[in-house]
Amino acid sequence: AQSVTQPDIHITVSEGASLELRCNYSYGATPYLFWYVQSPGQGLQLLLKYFSGDTLVQGIKGFEAEFKRSQSSFNLRKPSVHWSDAAEYFCAVVPYNFNKFYFGSGTKLNVKP
Amino acid sequence: DAGVIQSPRHEVTEMGQEVTLRCKPISGHNSLFWYRQTMMRGLELLIYFNNNVPIDDSGMPEDRFSAKMPNASFSTLKIQPSEPRDSAVYFCASSPADPEAFFGQGTRLTVV
Repeated sequence: AQSVTQPDIHITVSEGASLELRCNYSYGATPYLFWYVQSPGQGLQLLLKYFSGDTLVQGIKGFEAEFKRSQSSFNLRKPSVHWSDAAEYFCAVVPYNFNKFYFGSGTKLNVKP
Repeated sequence: DAGVIQSPRHEVTEMGQEVTLRCKPISGHNSLFWYRQTMMRGLELLIYFNNNVPIDDSGMPEDRFSAKMPNASFSTLKIQPSEPRDSAVYFCASSPADPEAFFGQGTRLTVV
């Protein structure tokens, strides 16, 4: 069965520090991969997506993610975190040729001044 | 485009009452999803439509839940009768042919 694992439930970083949020998936073939962000009381907003090609993808708000096939991972990174990045982040997987989204359990990011 | 539009944004109802949540997907999108979000269970896919046809409803919790998509621009999720454990935020999302889910703002349902 397909699964998406976000091992960190909460992460706290200082403003200006770098950030990496982890995501691992379990699926037989390379799926489509996504990162979404959810601010309190809001819906989910797409940060970036990977379908194929270059394994380092750039997204909005200065985020990037790297697909590593050998590790079945799609970790989200940002070199310098801003206070406005405090939110919950969800990794999602869509099996190839099958338009059904599987979401991880989310990672809540707190940003210290 | 205004994005995915859900109504109402908030709903408070008494146990046993019928609740109907509404969703207008983005024009031209051919897939529509209903999700439920709770602290305990995270984001759960309830049902998924493609070209107005229900493809996978395995996530619908029980017979009290039903969803319809009478046309490409409208979908409803109905709970009858509602129970306190149905309290959650319900999201509708739509997707074009290339998978990319666009989410609405959600409906916060409270059943008392």
